[in-house]
Order: sequence, then C-alpha cells, then structure tokens
Amino acid sequence: KQEVTQIPAALSVPEGENLVLNCSFTDSAIYNLQWFRQDPGKGLTSLLLIQSSQREQTSGRLNASLDKSSGRSTLYIAASQPGDSATYLCAVEGGSEKLVFGKGTKLTVNP
Amino acid sequence: NAGVTQTPKFQVLKTGQSMTLQCAQDMNHNSMYWYRQDPGMGLRLIYYSASEGTTDKGEVPNGYNVSRLNKREFSLRLESAAPSQTSVYFCASRRGQGGELFFGEGSRLTVL
Repeated sequence: KQEVTQIPAALSVPEGENLVLNCSFTDSAIYNLQWFRQDPGKGLTSLLLIQSSQREQTSGRLNASLDKSSGRSTLYIAASQPGDSATYLCAVEGGSEKLVFGKGTKLTVNP
Repeated sequence: NAGVTQTPKFQVLKTGQSMTLQCAQDMNHNSMYWYRQDPGMGLRLIYYSASEGTTDKGEVPNGYNVSRLNKREFSLRLESAAPSQTSVYFCASRRGQGGELFFGEGSRLTVL
C-alpha cells in the first residue's frame, strides 16, 4: 500500500529565504506526482504536476523535482514571501485512478 | 471561470438526517472525485467516477452513496448522518487518469 510522508509538518522561515519542502513515498511505481497549495478554509490549488518520466517541473518561483528510485520529491520555493504562507500537500498516483496524499507541510513566511 | 462548484458550503445536520452534497464542473472533465479532510488524517477518497456512468469506492465509502448524474455533475449522499461524518468534503475533477486535479472550495458539514 502506498504511503506518502511529508516532513516537517510545519515550517517557519523569514521572508526572502529559499526553502525546500519534502515528500517521500514508499512505492516507486508511480504514474505522476502533484504538488498542491491549500489556504485556510479553502480548497486545494494545483501547483505542479510531474509525470513519472520527468525529473522536474518549474513554475515561476517554484521548482519541483522527482526521484522515483529513491521515492522522493522536493518543492523548492525561491525568495519566499508572506503570501506563500499556506499548507503544501503532495499526492502520488499509481496505476489506478486513486491519488494518495501526504498530510502536508504548513509553511509560515514571516515578514 | 467557475471550475469546480460545490453546494452547500456549510451545513449542520442532526444524527440520522440525510442530505446530498452537490458538485458540478465546467471543464469537460471525465473523472470526478469526492474526498473528506479531517485533522490529522489528511485527505481520504470516498468515491470516484472515472467516466460518466461509472462509480467506484475509494478508501472510506461506508455511509455514503454517489450519483454521476451526467458528465458535469457528481453528487454525494449521506443517508443517515453520524457524528463521525463531521468533516470537510471536497469534490475534485480532472480530464482523466494522469491529469491535473482541480478542487472545489469544500463543504463543511457538522453532524450533531
């Protein structure tokens, strides 16, 4: 059974810092991996989708990498801003339609 | 640009009452999903529909039923609500397997 872990559960950084969020999964036979952002009281917003054949994806200040063999993905946020404060979740998709989500990392960027 | 729309946004029920959560998407997506999100438990899949006319159980289907009314709409029904079903419910959709997943804003349900 696929398990997805995100460590740490919470992270607090000063504005302007570059940071890395981690996502690990137990079964490397994945179809793709997706990173989401969730603001308090809101739904999830898709940030980046990495297919299993890809090593990384970039969108603005965000860069996500995927290493299937080691069962890891990282989300790199450059020059963090207070508006980046949110919970970040990763989800992996295996051969079925079902995605398995991590419990998220709550990020606080302090002005 | 509505995306995925859920109704109602908030609901309070008494134990034993029934209700239906509605979800509609305007992106012509084939696949639709219902999740629940609870503190410390993360997101768990209740039911999903890979295409119009099909539905399948997810991780926590007990106490729920679903209907894929047409390609746009996917409803979740609680026949006899229990306090354990107090949660935030999210509907999501995507083009198909492997595609990017889009979520609604959530429906916050409290069962007393």
